[in-house]
Parts: sequence; structure tokens; C-alpha cells
Amino acid sequence: GQSLEQPSEVTAVEGAIVQINCTYQTSGFYGLSWYQQHDGGAPTFLSYNALDGLEETGRFSSFLSRSDSYGYLLLQELQMKDSASYFCAVWEDSSYKLIFGSGTRLLVRP
Amino acid sequence: GAVVSQHPSRVICKSGTSVKIECRSLDFQATTMFWYRQFPKQSLMLMATSNEGSKATYEQGVEKDKFLINHASLTLSTLTVTSAHPEDSSFYICSARWPRTGPGEKLFFGSGTQLSVL
Repeated sequence: GQSLEQPSEVTAVEGAIVQINCTYQTSGFYGLSWYQQHDGGAPTFLSYNALDGLEETGRFSSFLSRSDSYGYLLLQELQMKDSASYFCAVWEDSSYKLIFGSGTRLLVRP
Repeated sequence: GAVVSQHPSRVICKSGTSVKIECRSLDFQATTMFWYRQFPKQSLMLMATSNEGSKATYEQGVEKDKFLINHASLTLSTLTVTSAHPEDSSFYICSARWPRTGPGEKLFFGSGTQLSVL
């Protein structure tokens, strides 16, 4: 079966750092992606990890450990506009499909 | 960046009617498009993979006779919800992958269609 687990909600203050974890169990694995979605909007791509380690893109960083089936998204210098839902997603190598996790709603407070 | 256009953005229909949702790739040819469904405050659930010129591949539990997918050209995929019922009310989102890329490449999403069945 397939499962991607994330915390359902996270709250943080503006300017802080927050880490959103994702553990996955899938029949095949090619890489881990992260997407951001504001209410009523479409998901937008944030990052992708195929190999172990940390990938940094501006204020956002993403980490992957394939041996632990674990990854996280790190958001630094939080801004109010970062309040959104964040989804980890796994590319299955057998079917070339992107499967989404349960999503984490991030609320950034002043 | 690549643009995926989805129409309509919102539709309200009566129970028993059919609704067609269009998904177009505006500046690239998408041989593969994906259709997702999302209930409020929940995740995106993959419904089917739409392949140009061939039948769509549906995920387990998705009724292919109810959710008709047609991918007649390299830039257009349509999802038709047939005989819609209130439980079909949801947010439907299409997405496309840049051609000739493998897994890991980002998906480009349409803006979504909010379907409300009365």
C-alpha cells in the first residue's frame, strides 16, 4: 500500500523557522517532492529530492533520507504569506505517478 | 514557466446532469495529464492518468463510467462527470508534466474546478 504521513497542523510566528516532516511507505520510490497550496488555489512546486541530503532554495529547504523513508521541508524567516497547506508527494518509479501526502496546514501568526 | 489552463473554475449543476471540465496545456504538448480530486482540507487524490491517444488509466475505486476522461490532442484533456450527484461535489484539479521528462520533474497544475451539485 501507499501512505505518506505528515502532521495535520503547525503554527509558528512570523520570522521563525518551522520544519514539516513527512514519512512515506510506497510500493516504489523515485523521489520526494513538496508542494504549497493556498486555500482555493492550485498546488505550486517547491522542491524535489531524489538523493539523500539537503536541497536549499531561498527560504525553503528540503531534506531526504531514503534509508529512513523520511523527509522534511524547512521554512525559514516565516512570512504571513507562507500560511498555506504543504504537501509532500512521492513519485512512484513503477507507474510514474505523483502521490500526495495528507498535507500540513501551516498558520503563521504575527 | 509552463501554463496549464483549466475551465471552468466553478460550476453549479443539478443532480443528474453531466459536467465537462477542460484542461489545456498552453505552451507545451502534454502527452500525459493527471486528474486529481480534493475535498475541503484534505489531500489531493489521484483519480486517473490521461494519456494522449489512448485510454485513461484509473486509480482503484474510481468509476471510469462516471468520470469520463478524453485526451484527444496533445494540449487538451477533458474530464466529464456524468450523472452528477451531491457526493461528487469537490475540487477537481488537472496537471501536466513537461514532455520527455521522467519522474521527479514538477507537475504544472491547472487552477482547479469547484463543482457543486445541488
